[in-house]
Amino acid sequence: GAGVSQSPRYKVAKRGQDVALRCDPISGHVSLFWYQQALGQGPEFLTYFQNEAQLDKSGLPSDRFFAERPEGSVSTLKIQRTQQEDSAVYLCASSLAVAGVYEQYFGPGTRLTVT
Amino acid sequence: GQQVMQIPQYQHVQEGEDFTTYCNSSTTLSNIQWYKQRPGGHPVFLIQLVKSGEVKKQKRLTFQFGEAKKNSSLHITATQTTDVGTYFCAGRSHPSGANNLFFGTGTRLTVIP
Repeated sequence: GAGVSQSPRYKVAKRGQDVALRCDPISGHVSLFWYQQALGQGPEFLTYFQNEAQLDKSGLPSDRFFAERPEGSVSTLKIQRTQQEDSAVYLCASSLAVAGVYEQYFGPGTRLTVT
Repeated sequence: GQQVMQIPQYQHVQEGEDFTTYCNSSTTLSNIQWYKQRPGGHPVFLIQLVKSGEVKKQKRLTFQFGEAKKNSSLHITATQTTDVGTYFCAGRSHPSGANNLFFGTGTRLTVIP
């Protein structure tokens, strides 16, 4: 079916607001990743899910960042009390199976601007 | 920590010229993947290399994985305007079991028609 989808595509938040970013992976993909991409930089790993289990959250920059994938499909990345340095494109990617072994399919990203 | 550097950061070439980007890791990699990101787009998978010294070709693109599995290169022969974009390498650290890919800094290619 369709590829990875993300919503919203653009989000403007005032500093201090909470935001929630959604990712719909490709159906049947076990692995799901979140990345943060600053302007002119490569994607930086945030967190990884295998089905509903969050196996690696070592890339989350602070405890204001929280991600979940409760039923092993759709995932939400939540950022509390947004700061200006959180402004970036947040990319979601899914993969057929084991992390890093198979190609990752990226969604279009959510561009977050914190004012 | 793991670092993956790419050079050059930017490259401008005349259409028809060749282009090469180099990827260097501070640690040994179990595998390396290459992605292309068009302006305003998202990364799209190109290829994966796993074996030491591996070379793979896709039409005008040639990918190499170093013998020590710490570096890789992407070479494009006779560039076309459709090659425009940023090319990222992404390595998975060794030993296997690491859950994430470390993306390189990327090389932005501009092709002048």
